[in-house]
Amino acid sequence: EAGVAQSPRYKIIEKRQSVAFWCNPISGHATLYWYQQILGQGPKLLIQFQNNGVVDDSQLPKDRFSAERLKGVDSTLKIQPAKLEDSAVYLCASSLDRGGDGELFFGEGSRLTVL
Amino acid sequence: AQSVSQHNHHVILSEAASLELGCNYSYGGTVNLFWYVQYPGQHLQLLLKYFSGDPLVKGIKGFEAEFIKSKFSFNLRKPSVQWSDTAEYFCAVNACSTGTASKLTFGTGTRLQVTL
Repeated sequence: EAGVAQSPRYKIIEKRQSVAFWCNPISGHATLYWYQQILGQGPKLLIQFQNNGVVDDSQLPKDRFSAERLKGVDSTLKIQPAKLEDSAVYLCASSLDRGGDGELFFGEGSRLTVL
Repeated sequence: AQSVSQHNHHVILSEAASLELGCNYSYGGTVNLFWYVQYPGQHLQLLLKYFSGDPLVKGIKGFEAEFIKSKFSFNLRKPSVQWSDTAEYFCAVNACSTGTASKLTFGTGTRLQVTL
């Protein structure tokens, strides 16, 4: 079974520039998550999709971050404009999720460095 | 909202030593509990999980964890660590609500370094 695919693996940008990350979840997984993992911290949920719809985006900095999941499959996370504190690994995860007891499967992450 | 505390940030052990990593959560209702591991250069992967039933859960590679509801704890254990267990370990909790999708809240992680 193919895992969660993410790209790019690494990105270096200057502050105030924009960046986009792409995620392709495991086939058939209805729920997709974007987490932010800052060095030395645990992953923090940014946004959660159930099929096409947003379930939770309460911790997404909406003035600069946006995410979409078209057709209930792939998803993109965009940051515009980037700040120094956005340097982190952005993790995409998906779950089959029946009844809220599902295991999350993670991609390898996209490491962002903002200079 | 739920939260997770991992008490040990960095643990150094010799091979064959026993391991116990602490994890406490705060949430008054029913929870699902997880331990994830991240080996150097690899993605997060599930080590073990607790949903219901026997509070002593066995996972991969000889790891186990015990859910103690009265203490809101889910500590990870392994009787004898190996060098290959060097990794970062994350405890996570999902507050259960009927019909809603999982949403994991992670602890800050514990870096385990096993020396030869």
